[in-house]
Amino acid sequence: DQQVKQNSPSLSVQEGRISILNCDYTNSMFDYFLWYKKYPAEGPTFLISISSIKDKNEDGRFTVFLNKSAKHLSLHIVPSQPGDSAVYFCAASGTSYDKVIFGPGTSLSVIP
Amino acid sequence: DTGVSQDPRHKITKRGQNVTFRCDPISEHNRLYWYRQTLGQGPEFLTYFQNEAQLEKSRLLSDRFSAERPKGSFSTLEIQRTEQGDSAMYLCASSGPGGIDTEAFFGQGTRLTVV
Repeated sequence: DQQVKQNSPSLSVQEGRISILNCDYTNSMFDYFLWYKKYPAEGPTFLISISSIKDKNEDGRFTVFLNKSAKHLSLHIVPSQPGDSAVYFCAASGTSYDKVIFGPGTSLSVIP
Repeated sequence: DTGVSQDPRHKITKRGQNVTFRCDPISEHNRLYWYRQTLGQGPEFLTYFQNEAQLEKSRLLSDRFSAERPKGSFSTLEIQRTEQGDSAMYLCASSGPGGIDTEAFFGQGTRLTVV
């Protein structure tokens, strides 16, 4: 049973446009959500997070939106740059932060 | 401190052999995690330590897998009698004490190939 879902395996976006990556979760006990970025041959790198008490968190070009009632979150990248091309993992954890559950990832390609 | 370090980066082994991986977390991080990632999938949680105590172990971890974290510093993950299905990237991550804002930092992983 996959608790964190990313239904789009891949996404292509033109440089300068907005990239929107979506994520759904099933476990209502999740209280903290994270996005990680992964380049080939490297481990995942933390990108941005959001607590369930918020519905938006922004860090530079990256914004994460959380809709708790829909159990849905999204990552917006504006403007998209070729260096953003990577696999993006949505992840979630409970309040005790003992482990993080990852989605399957979305491969983003930003086309120059 | 240069981050989470994993050794070796690559390991090729014959089926039936035992392998051991090492993870050195970021200094003073008290939590250490092991994940496994196969092609096209996200990292799957295997086990988690807080200091030297192993607090949780996934049902994905069969009896052939064992992890230790002596003295609450580095950790080792051993796989006995390896099988081809064990071929994957094994990722280690660590996080510091604190509250909900403490995210995990990952190492570059050990890629295991069982032939």
